[in-house]
Amino acid sequence: QLQLQESGPGLVRPSETLSLTCSVSHVSVSGYYWSWIRQPAGKGLEWIGRIYVSGHTKHNPALESRVTMSGDTSKNELSLTLTSVTAADTAVYYCAKVDDDSAEFDPWGRGTLVIVSA
Amino acid sequence: DTQMTQSPSSVSASVGDTVTITCRASQDVSRWLAWYQQKPGKAPKLLIFAASSLQSGVPSRFSGSGSGTEFTLTISDLQPEDFATYYCQQGNDFPITFGQGTRLDIK
Repeated sequence: QLQLQESGPGLVRPSETLSLTCSVSHVSVSGYYWSWIRQPAGKGLEWIGRIYVSGHTKHNPALESRVTMSGDTSKNELSLTLTSVTAADTAVYYCAKVDDDSAEFDPWGRGTLVIVSA
Repeated sequence: DTQMTQSPSSVSASVGDTVTITCRASQDVSRWLAWYQQKPGKAPKLLIFAASSLQSGVPSRFSGSGSGTEFTLTISDLQPEDFATYYCQQGNDFPITFGQGTRLDIK
């Protein structure tokens, strides 16, 4: 059964770069779409972007200039980097598989909390 | 961006009740609409995709309907495990957007 697990530093200083990894089990990252989504504490969900590992990416314009997404087929992992972080980037970050036809997200990883603080 | 607006923002109900949550899109999203359930400290769980298709393993008391700009999620015969926050999500265009959420509480 497909499983996703996010990991990251937990704490990032303002103005620095946030780097997260999503490890994918039981299915290859190639050949599917994957998304990153985040959720500040007590708030709603924000789509960050989508990646097709052997092809293109699509980002939320609200974050586009700061976001980079990539995939590593040898490790079967996805990566997210977000530059110049501020307190507003404090959130739980999720990775999720995207359905090709209907654009919904399933399954999701458990999420990883990132706090931006000095 | 396509704005997704859910109503109500919160609702209280009792076990056995039927609850309906509405999601309105600021522009036509056809049937590219999904519903999720989220419990505290957990990732969202897909309930409904393509407006009305029930995700495998989801109880049949959950149902979705609508197209275009107005959609509903109906939960019949509420069970204790259904008290959670529900989100709609449009997949018609980029950026993908979510509703602000509807919190379902026990009355």
